Amino acid sequence: ETGVTQSPTHLIKTRGQQVTLRCSSQSGHNTVSWYQQALGQGPQFIFQYYREEENGRGNFPPRFSGLQFPNYSSELNVNALELDDSALYLCASSTRQAPIDSPLHFGNGTRLTVT
Amino acid sequence: AQSVTQLGSHVSVSEGALVLLRCNYSSSVPPYLFWYVQYPNQGLQLLLKYTTGATLVKGINGFEAEFKKSETSFHLTKPSAHMSDAAEYFCAVSNPNTGNQFYFGTGTSLTVIP
Repeated sequence: ETGVTQSPTHLIKTRGQQVTLRCSSQSGHNTVSWYQQALGQGPQFIFQYYREEENGRGNFPPRFSGLQFPNYSSELNVNALELDDSALYLCASSTRQAPIDSPLHFGNGTRLTVT
Repeated sequence: AQSVTQLGSHVSVSEGALVLLRCNYSSSVPPYLFWYVQYPNQGLQLLLKYTTGATLVKGINGFEAEFKKSETSFHLTKPSAHMSDAAEYFCAVSNPNTGNQFYFGTGTSLTVIP
């Protein structure tokens, strides 16, 4: 069983730039969620994708956007980067559209640093 | 609204001692509760979950947690700490209304002293 993989593992960007983070779901999972984990904090929900459509969004501005592809892989795009966007970005896959009791399976994350 | 409070951002125990990590939740409907562990530079790994049924839930690595509705708590315990238990632990809540969104606490860093 292939787990959730994220790329790149680390990234350094300058304020105002744009970034794309990538995620491959665990085999058999059709739902992808993205979380932002700031230093010393718990993960915060950004949004979720199911069948290539956004299916729920947290309290993040529109410059955070995403895509899901037919093979269930996903991208997180962040435009106009700000210093506060520096964080660990976690991708999590699951087996249901609304994973009521289906736990999230996390990748190891992408560490984004904005300077 | 849903939320999770983890009391104690840092907990230290001696090897072989009881581990107790506290989690209290707020949920307008019956919650689904989860504990995750995070090792340095890694993602989160599920330890255990409570959805319905038996309120005492057993997870991996000897951890267990008990859902207490009257106390709105879901504390994580392990009878005997091992050095490999040193990590960050997160409690999370969801429910049928939040569906796709998990709410995480701010985490508790566990240190195990040899």
